[in-house]
Amino acid sequence: LAKTTQPISMDSYEGQEVNITCSHNNIATNDYITWYQQFPSQGPRFIIQGYKTKVTNEVASLFIPADRKSSTLSLPRVSLSDTAVYYCLVGAIILTGGGNKLTFGTGTQLKVEL
Amino acid sequence: NAGVTQTPKFRVLKTGQSMTLLCAQDMNHEYMYWYRQDPGMGLRLIHYSVGEGTTAKGEVPDGYNVSRLKKQNFLLGLESAAPSQTSVYFCASSYSGTGNYGYTFGSGTRLTVV
Repeated sequence: LAKTTQPISMDSYEGQEVNITCSHNNIATNDYITWYQQFPSQGPRFIIQGYKTKVTNEVASLFIPADRKSSTLSLPRVSLSDTAVYYCLVGAIILTGGGNKLTFGTGTQLKVEL
Repeated sequence: NAGVTQTPKFRVLKTGQSMTLLCAQDMNHEYMYWYRQDPGMGLRLIHYSVGEGTTAKGEVPDGYNVSRLKKQNFLLGLESAAPSQTSVYFCASSYSGTGNYGYTFGSGTRLTVV
């Protein structure tokens, strides 16, 4: 499984755009990039997933350069409620018996202030 | 919209006692997983299942057993609890087909072994 590296923590203010970058230099051809959000005392929640270029949903955008060795989660106009830990995961879907065994690192603690 | 339900939410055990954590999902997902989360350690995979009647070891399986007798349920057992098993346990499930490969997590079980 590809190892990921992301900042331990980030601080921001309400209304700003936050970009969290994750590096995954040894990403494999069939690996997807997935981001999760976790609030205290809750399980992680799926935010967004992508393979290449740009993916956007109602919550965030995910930018993946052509070499796929990094990815950036972009949160537009954050609010206090976006204070959470954000995990970047890289893994392949193994359809024959292996399952999808994604590895969670320690994530990035985002703190949003007024 | 129950998703993934974990019971119990909290439990205190004495060293040497046994218990079973129950995970139930109503999304007809094939894959189910048990993770533990410790401070500063991220989430670590204990065991997983790729379908009814199957189980496999994850990253930290020692001291735990699992069973998947029904597709919707995944049980995690501690035969003889140890203080090192004090942790927050999360169950997750995922769909094995194409499209969204994201995990759906339960709200966790906080276990303290004294």
